[in-house]
Amino acid sequence: SQELEQSPQSLIVQEGKNLTINCTSSKTLYGLYWYKQKYGEGLIFLMMLQKGGEEKSHEKITAKLDEKKQQSSLHITASQPSHAGIYLCGADRAGTASKLTFGTGTRLQVTL
Amino acid sequence: GAVVSQHPSWVICKSGTSVKIECRSLDFQATTMFWYRQFPKQSLMLMATSNEGSKATYEQGVEKDKFLINHASLTLSTLTVTSAHPEDSSFYICSATLPRADASNQPQHFGDGTRLSIL
Repeated sequence: SQELEQSPQSLIVQEGKNLTINCTSSKTLYGLYWYKQKYGEGLIFLMMLQKGGEEKSHEKITAKLDEKKQQSSLHITASQPSHAGIYLCGADRAGTASKLTFGTGTRLQVTL
Repeated sequence: GAVVSQHPSWVICKSGTSVKIECRSLDFQATTMFWYRQFPKQSLMLMATSNEGSKATYEQGVEKDKFLINHASLTLSTLTVTSAHPEDSSFYICSATLPRADASNQPQHFGDGTRLSIL
């Protein structure tokens, strides 16, 4: 079974709308990383969460990690076309970011 | 900072040939680099962990003799796909982390990937 599940698998939102992407682990995590990938390109680091209940924001993107450190959400406020891409969560199970297991990914499209 | 460069970005070659992909950390020394493979519309699958000056650690199911990894310096790791066949066609991405002393609270930094097509 997949250790790291993301939902939804794909999402189409109208520009200006808010959206949330979820990442759920079957095991407690040391850390949770959010990346964005454009098709056929590398991954861009967004945010890293390590403490239960932690929340971080950058521009219009907010990421949270629950108290049990098994679930994270990524929220985008007032989406823009530049937010389109594939969002991937990566789980650190060893505490040193030495080996990441990635989620299934969420493909986001933002329409005008 | 923490820029990772991957080369080439795209390669097409005939079946049976070997292809080398380079991963360089441009502004930091990376004692550990990772090689991932990504199939269309799927997530990243870790292939191996490359440690400078030692043998790579391969994930279960990854053929060591097919995917040769060399990490000869602190800024360069190479992945060679030997005797490539159409089923090896994929998107390969590398990442690097800062040296272990600095690795805590640091993310992996990714290259832009290499699209490999075997005819």
